[in-house]
Amino acid sequence: QLQLQESGPGLVKPSETLSLTCSVSGDSTSNNNHYWGWIRQPPGKGLEWIGNIHYSGSTHYNPSLKSRVTIAEDTSKNQVSLKLSSVTAGDTAVYYCARRNQYCSGGACYSLVDVWGKGTTVTVSS
Amino acid sequence: AIQMTQSPSSLSASVGDRVTITCRASQYIRIDLGWYQQKPGKAPKLLIYAASTLQSGVPSRFSGSGSGTDFTLTISSLQPEDCATYYCLQDYNEPLTFGGGTKVEIK
Repeated sequence: QLQLQESGPGLVKPSETLSLTCSVSGDSTSNNNHYWGWIRQPPGKGLEWIGNIHYSGSTHYNPSLKSRVTIAEDTSKNQVSLKLSSVTAGDTAVYYCARRNQYCSGGACYSLVDVWGKGTTVTVSS
Repeated sequence: AIQMTQSPSSLSASVGDRVTITCRASQYIRIDLGWYQQKPGKAPKLLIYAASTLQSGVPSRFSGSGSGTDFTLTISSLQPEDCATYYCLQDYNEPLTFGGGTKVEIK
């Protein structure tokens, strides 16, 4: 059964870099049909897509965060990582990793974000 | 980025009521839309994908419809366990974008 598990420091100081890891079990991060993404949710607020990566190295980032975000994939460890630099209190959130599954049907191809990790809370504070 | 406008932001209904939530995209997104249910302290759970396909294991009282720019999530008979916040997500263009959420409560 596919499981995603986020891990990393729960507290990060302002101006430092937030680093999180998503460990994938029950699937391979090198599966050609999958992207691996990160989403965050500030306390009491809605969901924000951060970006995603394909094992080929293709990445897409939310333009609102693009200058500060790096997502990487480690096939040997079956992990995906997120780095967010120069953090502020506004980056305090629950961070989720998720699988974006691609499939084709009726001559067209689609994707869906179908499996999420449980999330990890990151607080930015001195 | 494509803007997803979700309404209402909250609603209160009785057990057994039919509940409808809508999402409107700022531009054409084909049928590339999913609906998610999130309970407090939990990760979102996929209910519907490709606008109208029920995810495996999701009760049949949930249904989705729409294409292009206008989409609807319907709960045919609201149950107590359906108390949650519901989000739409467009998966047509990067960056993916979520609706603002609809909090569903039981009267």
